[in-house]
Amino acid sequence: AQSVTQLDSHVSVSEGTPVLLRCNYSSSYSPSLFWYVQHPNKGLQLLLKYTSAATLVKGINGFEAEFKKSETSFHLTKPSAHMSDAAEYFCVVSRNSGNTPLVFGKGTRLSVIA
Amino acid sequence: GAGVSQSPRYKVAKRGQDVALRCDPISGHVSLFWYQQALGQGPEFLTYFQNEAQLDKSGLPSDRFFAERPEGSVSTLKIQRTQQEDSAVYLCASSMGRGRDGYTFGSGTRLTVV
Repeated sequence: AQSVTQLDSHVSVSEGTPVLLRCNYSSSYSPSLFWYVQHPNKGLQLLLKYTSAATLVKGINGFEAEFKKSETSFHLTKPSAHMSDAAEYFCVVSRNSGNTPLVFGKGTRLSVIA
Repeated sequence: GAGVSQSPRYKVAKRGQDVALRCDPISGHVSLFWYQQALGQGPEFLTYFQNEAQLDKSGLPSDRFFAERPEGSVSTLKIQRTQQEDSAVYLCASSMGRGRDGYTFGSGTRLTVV
């Protein structure tokens, strides 16, 4: 079985300050991990993915995440928040083989204050 | 096409009415998934196709839900005798092959049952 827990339902940061969105996962198998972003009335967009290669993964728009097996974590970070980063962020896990369903967390809403 | 296309974008149905939601995946994408996203929640898996074969339908919430992909491209999700609890955004995603590389999502169909 696989699951993800997003530790914060809402995070608020000031523009230009760092962003940290926390995610812990549980997986009986070697996992693939993803972060997706969803802007209002828009589709889900893939930010980055971890699939058993480098543990520090760089994504689009300056986001990155580090896979820490010992902590079963995959936190998303960005050094400096921009107003356009305000959106809903989902941490996602799937089995690292074949086509298996993605299991989504409940999401973290990021607000960016000017 | 350039992306995953879903139609209609919005659908209002009276309770008890049947609805059909369409998904046009990216051309050549073998795998197709349907997800249901309730308000304020993360998407939840409904069903999965590889080409025309429905390999997993374990997420369909009741026998009122039915999905097909007869020619391995366009897929239709049908909901019979809609109920208020069916109100949600229905998302379609496709991928070229191995799901661990991530999926491309459509913008979804927002279904409201009144």
